[in-house]
Amino acid sequence: DAKTTQPPSMDCAEGRAANLPCNHSTISGNEYVYWYRQIHSQGPQYIIHGLKNNETNEMASLIITEDRKSSTLILPHATLRDTAVYYCISRRGSSNTGKLIFGQGTTLQVKP
Amino acid sequence: KAGVTQTPRYLIKTRGQQVTLSCSPISGHRSVSWYQQTPGQGLQFLFEYFSETQRNKGNFPGRFSGRQFSNSRSEMNVSTLELGDSALYLCASSLPSVEQYFGPGTRLTVT
Repeated sequence: DAKTTQPPSMDCAEGRAANLPCNHSTISGNEYVYWYRQIHSQGPQYIIHGLKNNETNEMASLIITEDRKSSTLILPHATLRDTAVYYCISRRGSSNTGKLIFGQGTTLQVKP
Repeated sequence: KAGVTQTPRYLIKTRGQQVTLSCSPISGHRSVSWYQQTPGQGLQFLFEYFSETQRNKGNFPGRFSGRQFSNSRSEMNVSTLELGDSALYLCASSLPSVEQYFGPGTRLTVT
């Protein structure tokens, strides 16, 4: 699974969009990009994943560049409850394993 | 649908003791993974069980072990506890090849 790189921390004003970048320049063709978040001392929560097309669900949008070397998670209207550590993880789509390799993630602080 | 449950939520043990943590996956999920989270090392994969068989193992000493039962419930055991084993232990369940659903964790303190 490819290594991912994220900024250690970001701030966002409440009500504004939060854009969290992730670099995965060594990603291979069959690796998906997954995003999880962890609110303080809780278990990580799945947000979204994608292969090469942009994806959107009720929580967020995922924009993957055409060369797939980077992606951006977008929280369209951040609230204080979105303050958390956000993890970007690459994982083979054919993987039949539950193993996830977490990096240090990005600590997002949403401010009033 | 009920989420992943872990028991106990908090635990205090002394060095040298052993501990058993329990995880009940989401109904229908057959894969259970365990993770250790510490401030210094972050989230680290311990092992994964699928259909009562260990399918993957992380880089942890043999003092860490686990098992899975026929109803997919899983336990992990840590023997001869050390101070460095103090951590949040997280369990996650999934169907194969899709997203993991994590439980709230067990906070283990070793004194």
